[in-house]
Amino acid sequence: AQKITQTQPGMFVQEKEAVTLDCTYDTSDPSYGLFWYKQPSSGEMIFLIYQGSYDQQNATEGRYSLNFQKARKSANLVISASQLGDSAMYFCAMREGRGGSNYKLTFGKGTLLTVNP
Amino acid sequence: DTGVSQDPRHKITKRGQNVTFRCDPISEHNRLYWYRQTLGQGPEFLTYFQNEAQLEKSRLLSDRFSAERPKGSFSTLEIQRTEQGDSAMYLCASSLNNEGETQYFGPGTRLLVL
Repeated sequence: AQKITQTQPGMFVQEKEAVTLDCTYDTSDPSYGLFWYKQPSSGEMIFLIYQGSYDQQNATEGRYSLNFQKARKSANLVISASQLGDSAMYFCAMREGRGGSNYKLTFGKGTLLTVNP
Repeated sequence: DTGVSQDPRHKITKRGQNVTFRCDPISEHNRLYWYRQTLGQGPEFLTYFQNEAQLEKSRLLSDRFSAERPKGSFSTLEIQRTEQGDSAMYLCASSLNNEGETQYFGPGTRLLVL
């Protein structure tokens, strides 16, 4: 079974509008971390936001927020006020186990976001 | 604070040749990871170092692949007798051993095997 599922191969959004990128995950470990990365066409993976499984509040980082619904096992990324520079591939990833006891990330297949002017 | 760097950024080689990639992690990070990313996919874990010790190798890493991290600083990934199926982006990441343990990635090395 896929551990990370991103069901949207591509998304389009108008500049200045908000967009939600979907991510569902599958784990039986009570301790895990969820990450979102951005990958522009240049190839570098840029860290955006992190949510720990025990965090009570949804993570926010500037224009990025993570809509964490633990019971539904979803960790959607919300980008507010989209900019042309947000056009890129976005990957959701999970690390199972607490930091220090586990390490490798499992990635989804990504969503290609295109921001239209 | 400089980020993770990788060298070379691009490599074109002929089938059967050996190639070596280098990764320099963020200086205070004790953990280093290698991932491989093929077209249209997310990165897949290859191997992981804590300081100089290689603690896990994925089944994706055949015997033709070897990675080292002498002295717990930079790391090298060598592919011997390259095959066309080795064509991919090779990504290096590093992290600090803490609660969140965010992995920060380098720009990657794009390998094309002809």
